[in-house]
Amino acid sequence: DVKVTQSSRYLVKRTGEKVFLECVQDMDHENMFWYRQDPGLGLRLIYFSYDVKMKEKGDIPEGYSVSREKKERFSLILESASTNQTSMYLCASSLAGPRSDTQYFGPGTRLTVL
Amino acid sequence: GDSVTQMEGPVTLSEEAFLTINCTYTATGYPSLFWYVQYPGEGLQLLLKATKADDKGSNKGFEATYRKETTSFHLEKGSVQVSDSAVYFCALWPTGGGNKLTFGTGTQLKVEL
Repeated sequence: DVKVTQSSRYLVKRTGEKVFLECVQDMDHENMFWYRQDPGLGLRLIYFSYDVKMKEKGDIPEGYSVSREKKERFSLILESASTNQTSMYLCASSLAGPRSDTQYFGPGTRLTVL
Repeated sequence: GDSVTQMEGPVTLSEEAFLTINCTYTATGYPSLFWYVQYPGEGLQLLLKATKADDKGSNKGFEATYRKETTSFHLEKGSVQVSDSAVYFCALWPTGGGNKLTFGTGTQLKVEL
């Protein structure tokens, strides 16, 4: 069974802290994604990666960075957390090529920045 | 650019009622279309998809037909259950790929006994 796991379900941080969100997939997928989910806005793509050490900006990359040192792991980094980054963060992965359109999601991390 | 528009929720239905959740899209060419479902406390999972005009995707009693002429992909189910309560997202994958799904804002469905 395919599996995408995220390091925390709930996280509370203070303004200005550096925050790491970790995502691991066990499906040997080439592509990995980070989204944030906000009421009334749906899912918005922050960054994605199509290979180890490769990354591309999504629609809302400002205030975020990512790291992909191993194929199975994709980290989202908030260099200096702000209250407007309070949100649900979803990680996803997919195969490359013709089956890349189907993404598999983790359970999400609900981040609160105080 | 590409966009997906869904009906606003929440949609509240009684068990065994008929469900329709509207979805329309704007995109060039022939995108692939998807419905994802998010059950409470979980991530999204693929419910069904259609990759070309007039295709019907179906799964778990849900259906959606890719209508090119009306740029729509409405989700339907003949008889909903309490266990169908979730948030439903319509999404598109553009012609030629590009590694980027475009999602709608989601529609919450509540099914009551």
